[in-house]
Amino acid sequence: EDQVTQSPEALRLQEGESSSLNCSYTVSGLRGLFWYRQDPGKGPEFLFTLYSAGEEKEKERLKATLTKKESFLHITAPKPEDSATYLCAVHGSSNTGKLIFGQGTTLQVKP
Amino acid sequence: DTGVSQNPRHKITKRGQNVTFRCDPISEHNRLYWYRQTLGQGPEFLTYFQNEAQLEKSRLLSDRFSAERPKGSFSTLEIQRTEQGDSAMYLCASSLFRVTTNEKLFFGSGTQLSVL
Repeated sequence: EDQVTQSPEALRLQEGESSSLNCSYTVSGLRGLFWYRQDPGKGPEFLFTLYSAGEEKEKERLKATLTKKESFLHITAPKPEDSATYLCAVHGSSNTGKLIFGQGTTLQVKP
Repeated sequence: DTGVSQNPRHKITKRGQNVTFRCDPISEHNRLYWYRQTLGQGPEFLTYFQNEAQLEKSRLLSDRFSAERPKGSFSTLEIQRTEQGDSAMYLCASSLFRVTTNEKLFFGSGTQLSVL
């Protein structure tokens, strides 16, 4: 069964303190790994899609990487406005667009 | 492009009542998904449509839940005889599915349901 596990569940950083979020996945045939950002009371907002091991994508202070078993979301010199829940999801083995989500990592960046 | 729109944003109901939510997808998108999210958890898949056809339903979806997408445009999700365990954020997402390209889901802001 397709499964996604994110760690840590919560992360507190000081402004400027870089760190990484982990997403471990088990899927029989990965057709895409997605990172979303979710602010309180809002729907997930798309950040990145990764398709193959070794692929990397960047957007401002965020960089996502992918291996055969996990993905990392690196946050460089974060700012308070980066505070949010970051969700990882996979397109699994079924032939649909259905995403399997992890439980998310809630990031708090203090000034 | 105004994004995915969901109404209402909040719904408070009493146990046993029926509720209906509406989702208006991005206009050219042919797929529409419903997810449910509880506090501290990631979204959980409920069902999805391609145009007007409902192609998949989660095994977790109770028979009290029904979804429609008439004419392949907006969609409604109805919950009959609500229970306190139905309290959650109900998220709608849409996508443009093509065989030759990778699919990306765009989410609405959700409907927060509270069952008293």
